Amino acid sequence: GAVVSQHPSRVICKSGTSVKIECRSLDFQATTMFWYRQFPKQSLMLMATSNEGSKATYEQGVEKDKFLINHASLTLSTLTVTSAHPEDSSFYICSARDTGGGHGYTFGSGTRLTVV
Amino acid sequence: GEDVEQSLFLSVREGDSSVINCTYTDSSSTYLYWYKQEPGAGLQLLTYIFSNMDMKQDQRLTVLLNKKDKHLSLRIADTQTGDSAIYFCAESLSGNTPLVFGKGTRLSVIA
Repeated sequence: GAVVSQHPSRVICKSGTSVKIECRSLDFQATTMFWYRQFPKQSLMLMATSNEGSKATYEQGVEKDKFLINHASLTLSTLTVTSAHPEDSSFYICSARDTGGGHGYTFGSGTRLTVV
Repeated sequence: GEDVEQSLFLSVREGDSSVINCTYTDSSSTYLYWYKQEPGAGLQLLTYIFSNMDMKQDQRLTVLLNKKDKHLSLRIADTQTGDSAIYFCAESLSGNTPLVFGKGTRLSVIA
């Protein structure tokens, strides 16, 4: 079945630095990928929709200059958390749908970001 | 707007059936999904149902959809300790729109 690879799985960084998270569709092409954020014991909140070859669409309240999204190819989307602060510490998950068929969205394994 | 509601906790004995319930508000929802999340992991798609279906069964999993009441349920037969996880109900208006998730139901299976 469809597989989405997300890296890194865990990262600890200092305040003020930037962190890049990668999301790859391994055996299918994804023109659209979604980035979610999950706080402990809470649901997934959609941050942005990543579109291949065009600008990402951000949800209300999500700072596009802080959470940079690049979707340069049909199999790769990246989320860069710029100038990270402790309040950015969270679990970030990407998802994609195989537009070539099948149903349901495949999720990456998530990235646990801790900003110290 | 879209909203998905779930009960937060469910505890069952090993071997019993588990029923996790979900309600949604958007009657335009076309696709409804159940995902499983184990600690520290991403989401695993368990099953999905289209809005024109009433029931779908896949091995130990049975999904019931009451479109009139906007109610979705997931029944896990012969629940095992490995089924302990958080289960998310999600809806989508079409195949390409992002999912809207409920808060998740934490299922605890007692041996």
